[in-house]
Amino acid sequence: AQTVTQSQPEMSVQEAETVTLSCTYDTSESDYYLFWYKQPPSRQMILVIRQEAYKQQNATENRFSVNFQKAAKSFSLKISDSQLGDAAMYFCAYRSSGFRDDKIIFGKGTRLHILP
Amino acid sequence: DAGVTQSPTHLIKTRGQQVTLRCSPKSGHDTVSWYQQALGQGPQFIFQYYEEEERQRGNFPDRFSGHQFPNYSSELNVNALLLGDSALYLCASSDRLTYEQYFGPGTRLTVT
Repeated sequence: AQTVTQSQPEMSVQEAETVTLSCTYDTSESDYYLFWYKQPPSRQMILVIRQEAYKQQNATENRFSVNFQKAAKSFSLKISDSQLGDAAMYFCAYRSSGFRDDKIIFGKGTRLHILP
Repeated sequence: DAGVTQSPTHLIKTRGQQVTLRCSPKSGHDTVSWYQQALGQGPQFIFQYYEEEERQRGNFPDRFSGHQFPNYSSELNVNALLLGDSALYLCASSDRLTYEQYFGPGTRLTVT
């Protein structure tokens, strides 16, 4: 069974600085998807960034980028130029690429605080 | 284009009661997944519906059941409520083309 581990329950970063959230996962599959979701106090789960395991290039979305290390099964999220609106719970998540198994497996989350 | 909608926003039930939560998928989506998110935890997969059938199920007891209607909307039913069922229930919809799951705002269930 696949698992996702986030070892940082909480993190803080100064506004405009850069922060990296860590995530490791375990799977025996070779093809899969990894995600970072943001959940603000409004509770809406918002997709931040997605990485396909077969792609070696790290995904980037504006100020958000990932460091995907497939052999190490590591998938960290870097937020550059942190803004107050980035404050939220961040979940690392895994999904198999198989048609019949597309449930999402989430980590326990990291609460990110932005200090003004 | 409306995204995923869920109702009600929150509700309070008593132990032993039954509850029904509702979800309308994003336009063009035919698959609905349900997740339970306990306080301070990540969401856990309950089950998924496609073509009005339960296609995949997580590690939840039979007290949790669901239904999908011809218009792709879905219901989650929980019988014999326990205090431990208190959680945020998230619905996500997707299509067979991208499999990308879009989440609704959730229903906060409190069992007293």
